[in-house]
Amino acid sequence: DAKTTQPPSMDCAEGRAANLPCNHSTISGNEYVYWYRQIHSQGPQYIIHGLKNNETNEMASLIITEDRKSSTLILPHATLRDTAVYYCIVRVARNQGGKLIFGQGTELSVKP
Amino acid sequence: NAGVTQTPKFRVLKTGQSMTLLCAQDMNHEYMYWYRQDPGMGLRLIHYSVGEGTTAKGEVPDGYNVSRLKKQNFLLGLESAAPSQTSVYFCASSHTLLAGNLGEQYFGPGTRLTVT
Repeated sequence: DAKTTQPPSMDCAEGRAANLPCNHSTISGNEYVYWYRQIHSQGPQYIIHGLKNNETNEMASLIITEDRKSSTLILPHATLRDTAVYYCIVRVARNQGGKLIFGQGTELSVKP
Repeated sequence: NAGVTQTPKFRVLKTGQSMTLLCAQDMNHEYMYWYRQDPGMGLRLIHYSVGEGTTAKGEVPDGYNVSRLKKQNFLLGLESAAPSQTSVYFCASSHTLLAGNLGEQYFGPGTRLTVT
């Protein structure tokens, strides 16, 4: 599975959009980009995933560059409850049980 | 629908003691996973299972054993606990989708284990 690089921390003002970047320059054609978040002391929570096209759901949007070497998770109107560690994970859909390899993630602090 | 549940929530062991952590899911998922998380670090995969009766090693399997006798349960065992196994343990499960893709993983609330 391709490795990912994320900034260790970011701040965002409440009500503003939070844009979390992720680099995955060694991604291969059959690998998906997944985003999870972990609110303090809780189990990780799935946010969104994509392969090539941009994706949007009720939680967030995922923008993947055309060469697929990087992506951005967008929380359109961040709230204090969005304060969490956000993990960008790249994995093949089904190989090796579809296991997730977590890196260090980005600690997002949403401030009033 | 309880999702993924873990038992117990907290436990303190002495070095050399044994214990079993239980994970249960009611979503009829094929795949189940055990992770550990140490302070300031991301999750690391211990073992996983792609179906009833099957298990496989993850990144950090040493010192742990697992069993998947029933589809809904995935047990993690520590035969002789060591202080290095002090951690938070998370269980997860996922389902299969069409075209061979795997759905997202659903995580339990975690078990906080301290080995003294």
